[in-house]
Amino acid sequence: RKEVEQDPGPFNVPEGATVAFNCTYSNSASQSFFWYRQDCRKEPKLLMSVYSSGNEDGRFTAQLNRASQYISLLIRDSKLSDSATYLCVVNFRSANNLFFGTGTRLTVIP
Amino acid sequence: EAGVAQSPRYKIIEKRQSVAFWCNPISGHATLYWYQQILGQGPKLLIQFQNNGVVDDSQLPKDRFSAERLKGVDSTLKIQPAKLEDSAVYLCASSRKQGSGANVLTFGAGSRLTVL
Repeated sequence: RKEVEQDPGPFNVPEGATVAFNCTYSNSASQSFFWYRQDCRKEPKLLMSVYSSGNEDGRFTAQLNRASQYISLLIRDSKLSDSATYLCVVNFRSANNLFFGTGTRLTVIP
Repeated sequence: EAGVAQSPRYKIIEKRQSVAFWCNPISGHATLYWYQQILGQGPKLLIQFQNNGVVDDSQLPKDRFSAERLKGVDSTLKIQPAKLEDSAVYLCASSRKQGSGANVLTFGAGSRLTVL
């Protein structure tokens, strides 16, 4: 089983739609969780950290379910500029050793 | 603050040749990472340094890949000899050692390698 698994998509959604991505992780001892965004031919950039109680940043909401070992990202009112690949990131083995999922590609259509 | 600097941005070589990539992390970031990202996949950790010491190199193909961070600042990743499957983007990232943002990675723009 891979350390971090994501549905690669692609997800094609119309502007204004709500879309959700899930990511599962294998190590129950993992403590740090993140969503990174990667635009085409660019480097990944931190979108948001994921906290145990869940957290929200504008149109983006991240949730953590430790019992089922998954994290989710919800994007409301999708914008064209949200088109990117969303990478799920989980720490593994040590606090500063991060593993990336394969990414979920999102395309927002006008 | 200045970002993570990487060079070269692009490199094309033939198989069995050698190549080296350079990275200068954000000033004050003790932890430096090299990731390999093959097209369509997520970044895969090759090696992690804490200052000038190796924390994790378990996924580094040591028969052909090497990396060093001699003075605990900039780092070099070398591939010798290159294989076709080494074609990828090599991403360098850095993070603080501790405190707020200790697990947050800042990436450089990457070095895109094509092996023919």
